Amino acid sequence: QQQVRQSPQSLTVWEGETAILNCSYENSAFDYFPWYQQFPGEGPALLISILSVSDKKEDGRFTIFFNKREKKLSLHIADSQPGDSATYFCAARSSGSWQLIFGSGTQLTVMP
Amino acid sequence: EAAVTQSPRSKVAVTGGKVTLSCHQTNNHDYMYWYRQDTGHGLRLIHYSYVADSTEKGDIPDGYKASRPSQENFSLILELASLSQTAVYFCASSDGWGQDTQYFGPGTRLLVL
Repeated sequence: QQQVRQSPQSLTVWEGETAILNCSYENSAFDYFPWYQQFPGEGPALLISILSVSDKKEDGRFTIFFNKREKKLSLHIADSQPGDSATYFCAARSSGSWQLIFGSGTQLTVMP
Repeated sequence: EAAVTQSPRSKVAVTGGKVTLSCHQTNNHDYMYWYRQDTGHGLRLIHYSYVADSTEKGDIPDGYKASRPSQENFSLILELASLSQTAVYFCASSDGWGQDTQYFGPGTRLLVL
């Protein structure tokens, strides 16, 4: 049973476009949602995160949009650059828990 | 800066052999984790530990053992390696509190033949 789902599995955009990566979840107790970025040959690293009390979180070109009612969130990468090419993992955690539940990832390719 | 190192970075093992993957962190973190990464499955938790000399089972512990001899070191042990254990293995550490960040190592690519 996959508690955190991501789509699409892979995404290709042109340089300068906005890439949109989607994530959905099942557990209503989840209240913290980090996104991790992984480059080939490296471990994942925290990119940006949001708490369920917020509906939007921005950090430079990266923005999370969160819809609690629909249990969905999305990561928007504005003005995509070839250096953004990586795999992006959506994760979730419920309050009082230490465990992060990861989605299966979206592999993003930004074409120059 | 947080630092998690893993060794070896890659390994070829024979079916039925014993494999030990090592992880070292200099973050002074209480929590350490072992994840397995397979294409299409993301990161799945194998074992974790929140204190030295104690380990706990994660979501997919079968076929794996773990050892935490000190706060800094956490090992993953495959007593009888199998073909299905071919994967990339990541170690991570964190404070384990609130919206803490998990810091990952560079991974170990394991091929079981």
